[in-house]
Order: sequence, then structure tokens, then C-alpha cells
Amino acid sequence: KAGVTQTPRYLIKTRGQQVTLSCSPISGHRSVSWYQQTPGQGLQFLFEYFSETQRNKGNFPGRFSGRQFSNSRSEMNVSTLELGDSALYLCASSLGGRAGTLLDTQYFGPGTRLTVL
Amino acid sequence: AQTVTQSQPEMSVQEAETVTLSCTYDTSESNYYLFWYKQPPSRQMILVIRQEAYKQQNATENRFSVNFQKAAKSFSLKISDSQLGDTAMYFCAFMKRAQGAQKLVFGQGTRLTINP
Repeated sequence: KAGVTQTPRYLIKTRGQQVTLSCSPISGHRSVSWYQQTPGQGLQFLFEYFSETQRNKGNFPGRFSGRQFSNSRSEMNVSTLELGDSALYLCASSLGGRAGTLLDTQYFGPGTRLTVL
Repeated sequence: AQTVTQSQPEMSVQEAETVTLSCTYDTSESNYYLFWYKQPPSRQMILVIRQEAYKQQNATENRFSVNFQKAAKSFSLKISDSQLGDTAMYFCAFMKRAQGAQKLVFGQGTRLTINP
């Protein structure tokens, strides 16, 4: 079974631009979560989608948004980019749905490295 | 809110040695999961091992095992017969066991180097 895929792998943008990152989950997985990884803040949860609905949201400004499609693929968007948005963005998928079981185990993609100049 | 603390920023051992990585966490939840992930230089986050908090038996996966002390809120990872390929950042993570609680809370990580 193919793993989680993320595109693009690397991205360079300038301040003020917007960016869209894509994540395709493992086949059959319905939950997709996004995390931001920076040297200073470590790994921080952005949001999670299940069945096209945002179920959980981390403490990030409204410039960070996401969505999920009917095939469970997810995109995240960052508008009005700031230098501090430079990070590795990780997507993770899980079966989700059923209340609190190890089916919730998250499997990660390779990440998208975003550099904001 | 849950917090996860890894007190060892860096560790270094010789190949074939055994190494233990520490993790403590703080939560008021009684049902939860704990995970160890590794992130090698490729940056791909890989699941190493997972533990259900309601299970007293410590999880094991080949050379990897945990020492889960629920009362002490401690969750250490032991790597036996360490190999060069074990060189990576290791992250301890917490997840509430509740419907829709798909949020991992990570520690700051421990950089482990296995020397030949």
C-alpha cells in the first residue's frame, strides 16, 4: 500500500504571497492532520480533517487554512506569507472515525519544505 | 492541556550498545496513547512504537521497547543492539483516547547518534 504523499517537496516563496500544499493519505484513511515543524517551536499541530470537515484546530492565525476533498486528499493554504512561516509542513493520515482506538495512529508523509524570502 | 518533555536534547552511543531515551508527560486524562517516532536526516517521520495507556504490559517492537510508568507519567524508549540506521531525531508524542481527538502533542525531541 502506498504511503502518504505530499507535493510539492520544496517550495520557495516571497513575503506576502500565498501557497497551497497538497497531501494524499494512505488508501482507506479518512483523517488527515497537518503539522508545522520549525527549529524554534518544534512540531505543532495545525488542523485535522475527517470526511471533509475540520474536526480539530491548533493555535495558528487565520492565514492558515485547509480543506479536504471527497477522496480524502487534503490541501492547506497559507496566505500573506511571513518569514516565520518558513518550516517543514508535515501531513499525517489515519483511519480515524472510530472513537479512540489505535486505528488513530498517524502515519506521516515526507513533508513539504517551505522557504519564505 | 497536555505537555510532553524530553530532557535529553542529544545522545550518542557506540554501535551495538543499548540506549534509553527519556520522556515524561503531563495530562489529566486517564485514557490516552503514547508514541515514539523517529525522524532520520531524510526528515520522514516514522512510527517506532506505540502504547495504550490502559495496558500495563510494555510494548515491544523487535529491538525497540518501552518502559511505561503511568503513575509517574514516564514513557522511555530502549533501543537494544543499536545500529547505524538508528541515527535520527526521536520524538515522544501523546494523543488523547477520545473520538475525534486526532491531535498529537510532541516533545522537543532527542537527537540520537550511533557511532561506528
